[in-house]
Amino acid sequence: GQQLNQSPQSMFIQEGEDVSMNCTSSSIFNTWLWYKQDPGEGPVLLIALYKAGELTSNGRLTAQFGITRKDSFLNISASIPSDVGIYFCAGPGGGSRLTFGEGTQLTVNP
Amino acid sequence: NAGVMQNPRHLVRRRGQEARLRCSPMKGHSHVYWYRQLPEEGLKFMVYLQKENIIDESGMPKERFSAEFPKEGPSILRIQQVVRGDSAAYFCASSPPSQVYGYTFGSGTRLTVV
Repeated sequence: GQQLNQSPQSMFIQEGEDVSMNCTSSSIFNTWLWYKQDPGEGPVLLIALYKAGELTSNGRLTAQFGITRKDSFLNISASIPSDVGIYFCAGPGGGSRLTFGEGTQLTVNP
Repeated sequence: NAGVMQNPRHLVRRRGQEARLRCSPMKGHSHVYWYRQLPEEGLKFMVYLQKENIIDESGMPKERFSAEFPKEGPSILRIQQVVRGDSAAYFCASSPPSQVYGYTFGSGTRLTVV
């Protein structure tokens, strides 16, 4: 089956720093999604990407759909404490289901 | 406009008991998905349902697990004769017919088997 590899697994940063994380796939995707999960909650969709090379922003978040269609990147600028959480990439897993990466745990120190 | 509602939020069951997890989709959403998340892992697809139909159950364990989405009422994920390995967070998501991905997740039910 399809596999998504996220890196890094965890990040510890200072408030105000920029953050970058990425996700690679073993196969070509036509859609990339980035979710954030707060402790004790379900994932919340941050950004959806539908076209190779696409660059999309949502506030301080920017995500890019890699031109090889096998990777995607998420950047967070000027991090704040509420950015803490787990960030997941996801892509089509066949039919209507999604395949998720293992997540990047982000910790922001004030 | 309420989001995807799951209950209970936390459920404790003894080994061998049954667990019933409920999911009410967002208003206007007729597609329901169930995912399972083990500690410190990503979400894994279990089943995709539309009203009164199971569309894709390729992620469901063959035994003890079942799901339904009746014409009236919430979707139910049922786990019979629970074992310790069933302990996980179970998330439900819903979407309208026109939206394939990027569906909305509920807050999950955290099942603990003791």
